[in-house]
Amino acid sequence: DAGVIQSPRHEVTEMGQEVTLRCKPISGHDYLFWYRQTMMRGLELLIYFNNNVPIDDSGMPEDRFSAKMPNASFSTLKIQPSEPRDSAVYFCASTSGRVRNEQFFGPGTRLTVL
Amino acid sequence: LAKTTQPISMDSYEGQEVNITCSHNNIATNDYITWYQQFPSQGPRFIIQGYKTKVTNEVASLFIPADRKSSTLSLPRVSLSDTAVYYCLVGDRIPGAGSYQLTFGKGTKLSVIP
Repeated sequence: DAGVIQSPRHEVTEMGQEVTLRCKPISGHDYLFWYRQTMMRGLELLIYFNNNVPIDDSGMPEDRFSAKMPNASFSTLKIQPSEPRDSAVYFCASTSGRVRNEQFFGPGTRLTVL
Repeated sequence: LAKTTQPISMDSYEGQEVNITCSHNNIATNDYITWYQQFPSQGPRFIIQGYKTKVTNEVASLFIPADRKSSTLSLPRVSLSDTAVYYCLVGDRIPGAGSYQLTFGKGTKLSVIP
């Protein structure tokens, strides 16, 4: 299994631009999570899906952030418009729930907003 | 979700056993204790999980006293490749939501010295 796949691995953009991060979860996993990691705030849960349905988006910082999961094998996290404070590493994780609290993380996307 | 407290950093020489202790005084009856490992530029990786007493796998051991207000992750004979951040998490499925939500703290940065 290839594990959780994220693209791009690195993204540099200018303030005000739209940014789209992509994630392919492990096949058969029905939970998908988006996290953000910064030095100041650590690893924060933004939103998670179960069977493609958003369950809890209370971690999404503001309306500029949106996430979709059109099917079981693809999810996107969009920031529009982007701001310098959005610079962080964004991780996607998935799990089947077979082992309690075990999530499989992707390699992350390092976003830099200038 | 119960809050956890763990040391910010630890140093160890190669070949030594390392014990990282985590405090979780407000742990709930249904909560499990989970440890993750994160290498630089990678997503966190599940190491071990337990509810009470002792759990051992090929990577580590987890010791949980009877009152469950703390736990100790034990790494036997560490090597340079064990240099990473180790996170202690406490939590379980959100009742009624069918979801798994993990809250990561700042973790313990372990540096293994040659």
